[in-house]
Amino acid sequence: SQKIEQNSEALNIQEGKTATLTCNYTNYSPAYLQWYRQDPGRGPVFLLLIRENEKEKRKERLKVTFDTTLKQSLFHITASQPADSATYLCALSQGGKLIFGQGTELSVKP
Amino acid sequence: GAVVSQHPSWVICKSGTSVKIECRSLDFQATTMFWYRQFPKQSLMLMATSNEGSKATYEQGVEKDKFLINHASLTLSTLTVTSAHPEDSSFYICSAKQGVNYEQYFGPGTRLTVT
Repeated sequence: SQKIEQNSEALNIQEGKTATLTCNYTNYSPAYLQWYRQDPGRGPVFLLLIRENEKEKRKERLKVTFDTTLKQSLFHITASQPADSATYLCALSQGGKLIFGQGTELSVKP
Repeated sequence: GAVVSQHPSWVICKSGTSVKIECRSLDFQATTMFWYRQFPKQSLMLMATSNEGSKATYEQGVEKDKFLINHASLTLSTLTVTSAHPEDSSFYICSAKQGVNYEQYFGPGTRLTVT
């Protein structure tokens, strides 16, 4: 069956450290993968998109990697700040639609 | 740029009534709009995809007669929950994309509570 799995447990880190979130999938062949941030009671906010032929993408303190062999994407936030605390969702492309993981809750402590 | 609004942000209605939720793209033309629902601590589940001027395509298990979607213009889509029941209480979120662009831009969501 098709599955998208993100770290189910909340991730707690200290301010200034690098947060690394994982997205694994099975039985999908996405042309691209996206990462979103969602705050409580709000809609997701687009962060980064990475295509299947790209290994890595960066935007300011954010970095995404995409390994189609391992069927895994890693999402890094460097020099994390308390304002980065939120739920982060990965989403795979599937026939023009997005299929979302359940999200990982990140908490950055000062 | 790429702002999507939803109205209302929250609504409470009685069981058996219908509720309409609006989704607007404010600064771009949304050729495709998507409607999702999200239960607490769960992921976004796609309900339907709508292209401007066409009938919506519903995901398996979503009742098209209960969740009426209209995408009459390039900036507006509406979702009407007909004969709402308490189990329809959820967070409804729309998103929009322009042309063949991959990025979807999401609205702030609408919290529906059916009593």
